[in-house]
Amino acid sequence: GENVEQHPSTLSVQEGDSAVIKCTYSDSASNYFPWYKQELGKRPQLIIDIRSNVGEKKDQRIAVTLNKTAKHFSLHITETQPEDSAVYFCAARGSTLGRLYFGRGTQLTVWP
Amino acid sequence: GAVVSQHPSWVICKSGTSVKIECRSLDFQATTMFWYRQFPKQSLMLMATSNEGSKATYEQGVEKDKFLINHASLTLSTLTVTSAHPEDSSFYICSARTGANTVEQYFGPGTRLTVT
Repeated sequence: GENVEQHPSTLSVQEGDSAVIKCTYSDSASNYFPWYKQELGKRPQLIIDIRSNVGEKKDQRIAVTLNKTAKHFSLHITETQPEDSAVYFCAARGSTLGRLYFGRGTQLTVWP
Repeated sequence: GAVVSQHPSWVICKSGTSVKIECRSLDFQATTMFWYRQFPKQSLMLMATSNEGSKATYEQGVEKDKFLINHASLTLSTLTVTSAHPEDSSFYICSARTGANTVEQYFGPGTRLTVT
């Protein structure tokens, strides 16, 4: 099956700085890569996603890049705000049954 | 649109008893639903893929006789934790796709299970 690695596990930044979280995947047939934000005790919320036929996607302060050759993708958050503090998960959609496999998560803390 | 609910939101049960968790798609039909388990400060681990009208597909290492999944209709999937033990205490989250050819999954709010 798919194996998704995510780094770093924790990330602390000052308000206004940028934050970058990186993930790698193992299944070259994976074709969909979403990023989720999860607050304590709540459901994961999709914040941005990218499909395998696109190299980059941006939505206001959030961007995702995908390198299919290297099998890695990254989340970029610019102008971070304290309310961005949460756990962020990357995921990859495997080639069978459309299952999502998640990275271990990154605890992002934005200090005011 | 694309709202998924779960019931109950939290449950406490005694060791050895069984607990049923419901996952419903409220405004769409879901031929496929997914069940995840999340331990504190850990990632979401896929347990099984639930298909309406057929048997669930379990991930390696997940006991199908312990975690019974029934996808009775296009809007309802249930997960029954049988003979629960304290180590089954976790956050159980379901998700659903709106169609066979869609990639995005919509997550339920989760169910916190505590086994005493």
